[in-house]
Amino acid sequence: EVQLVQSGAEGRKPGESLKISCKGSGYSFTTYWIGWVRQTPGKGLEWMGIIYPGDSDTRYSPSFQGQVTISADKSISTAYLQWSSLKASDTAMYYCARQGVVAADAFDIWGQGTMVTVS
Amino acid sequence: QSVLTQPPSVSGAPGQRVTISCTGSSSNIGAAYDVHWYQQLPGTAPKLVIYSNNNRPSGVPDRFSGSKSDTSASLAITGLQAEDEADYYCQSYDSSLRGVFGGGTKLTVL
Repeated sequence: EVQLVQSGAEGRKPGESLKISCKGSGYSFTTYWIGWVRQTPGKGLEWMGIIYPGDSDTRYSPSFQGQVTISADKSISTAYLQWSSLKASDTAMYYCARQGVVAADAFDIWGQGTMVTVS
Repeated sequence: QSVLTQPPSVSGAPGQRVTISCTGSSSNIGAAYDVHWYQQLPGTAPKLVIYSNNNRPSGVPDRFSGSKSDTSASLAITGLQAEDEADYYCQSYDSSLRGVFGGGTKLTVL
């Protein structure tokens, strides 16, 4: 079964660092882009950025450039999203999703989400 | 506000047809980038229901269809069912090769 499994909910204080993960299985992890999407409580979806695990080519939305770091370890089929200094406004659900299978820029498989609470 | 504009809410009775619009600009939908649609049921992750403007992934009922014209796109749902009640989001790319989402539309089945 093709799936993306994300790490569990996290709680941090403002100024702390955090790294959440997204592990792919059931397909060739290095062949398709992995994206990260933010959803703040009661709000819509925001495209944060994507990474190609094969060579770690990364693209960020201008809104998130410099605010987060997206990385991947292809040896363990895992993508990461990290913050060096969290803010209360980073409180949100974060989803990873696979891109590039059915269409070049559509997310066809999604992780279950990781809730990050900063307070 | 989101780059792509969707109505905040739509509603319809069971069995009816509803449409959800997604309006962009010449730098995204109008630049020939495809539009994709996602369904998000309460408390769950989004699910792809239409890709590349008018294609359904395996397992998505043919009650769901999509279209695109100029700088806009639409999602249509016919034979509305209670299980269709969800939030729906459109997504495209812009000329900087970054993804953009619509603000989402809440579909209520009356």
